[in-house]
Amino acid sequence: DSGVTQTPKHLITATGQRVTLRCSPRSGDLSVYWYQQSLDQGLQFLIQYYNGEERAKGNILERFSAQQFPDLHSELNLSSLELGDSALYFCASSNYNEQFFGPGTRLTVL
Amino acid sequence: AQKITQTQPGMFVQEKEAVTLDCTYDTSDQSYGLFWYKQPSSGEMIFLIYQGSYDEQNATEGRYSLNFQKARKSANLVISASQLGDSAMYFCAMREDNYGQNFVFGPGTRLSVLP
Repeated sequence: DSGVTQTPKHLITATGQRVTLRCSPRSGDLSVYWYQQSLDQGLQFLIQYYNGEERAKGNILERFSAQQFPDLHSELNLSSLELGDSALYFCASSNYNEQFFGPGTRLTVL
Repeated sequence: AQKITQTQPGMFVQEKEAVTLDCTYDTSDQSYGLFWYKQPSSGEMIFLIYQGSYDEQNATEGRYSLNFQKARKSANLVISASQLGDSAMYFCAMREDNYGQNFVFGPGTRLSVLP
């Protein structure tokens, strides 16, 4: 158990819908990262938050947004969902020299 | 351009043997970190080992060691005494240290340990 929790574990929704994925980092970790893993794109870094502030942006679509709250949990919002958004979404937290991943949320868009 | 290259899509190793998984990276930053992760078929991502760009010693964690050759920009993972449970996908990743921390992952190497 990495100490990073993600909910829900599975999510099935339809095209055009909006979903929210939630992540709680390990105790003491201020950084949260979001990743998307799909078969054709591999593991893609989406965005990083540090203590509530956005710090780095990767290949995140404009339809996607994230935030980190004062209690350090983070949410990833995916809107106007398309079939191609079906993927495993990971959250990770870090204390700089280590990075621990949550179990992931498997999103299926039908 | 590819920032992380893993040239071995698949590797086989006999149980109890050592295996080296290759990783080369490309960055113009002076400060960066290199990571290896294991992803078994169950899907979770397991952190294995970290090497900082300023670390002079190669990192080791149990049966894992990282062969860091900075001038060649390579960060190969060595697994000693392979076990059946080591069969998994292995990803090399680089963290570029700017104001934020941009992570780039390689395509992965699938390791199969044979009994």
